[in-house]
Amino acid sequence: GESVGLHLPTLSVQEGDNSIINCAYSNSASDYFIWYKQESGKGPQFIIDIRSNMDKRQGQRVTVLLNKTVKHLSLQIAATQPGDSAVYFCAENPFNDYKLSFGAGTTVTVRA
Amino acid sequence: DADVTQTPRNRITKTGKRIMLECSQTKGHDRMYWYRQDPGLGLRLIYYSFDVKDINKGEISDGYSVSRQAQAKFSLSLESAIPNQTALYFCATSDSPPIGGELFFGEGSRLTVL
Repeated sequence: GESVGLHLPTLSVQEGDNSIINCAYSNSASDYFIWYKQESGKGPQFIIDIRSNMDKRQGQRVTVLLNKTVKHLSLQIAATQPGDSAVYFCAENPFNDYKLSFGAGTTVTVRA
Repeated sequence: DADVTQTPRNRITKTGKRIMLECSQTKGHDRMYWYRQDPGLGLRLIYYSFDVKDINKGEISDGYSVSRQAQAKFSLSLESAIPNQTALYFCATSDSPPIGGELFFGEGSRLTVL
């Protein structure tokens, strides 16, 4: 089975609201996590990453939270915009060799 | 121009045919990967190569082979395509070791096997 997964396959968000995308992982040895965004017809693109020695990291309009106690990762998008509509994948590095293991993805749809 | 280029972008073929998907990159990365994407399953690693002389199987390598022709080129072959290989295929590259672990993906090759 997969070691990385997302709680919900789809998320509908009102434009301007904050989005929270969740991800659970099972390998407690993973030391590195990444969020990717995949827009329609394109390949995944890096959004933000976090190492296991941190519990929070902020980027531009995005924040990643890591809870190692319950092996949970989340991506928060502030003031969601139409351009944020995409599939979001979390990925982990379970063997410390940078062969990433991906979750199934959450499709985010932003309502005008 | 894209840093990671995949050809063809779309291909329809028949069961039993040999198919090659090609990937070239201009990022100067040593590491290259082939992933397969299926709805609801995310991205699964087929093969990866950490340098020109290094080829490794990923989690779903059966039915596939690869060739690393040069640092910049990594091709994926299906020797005898079958319908359950219908999927979206992505090539990716990364630094060695990857700075921050980031993968750089191509735009994908959609393969349909009838």
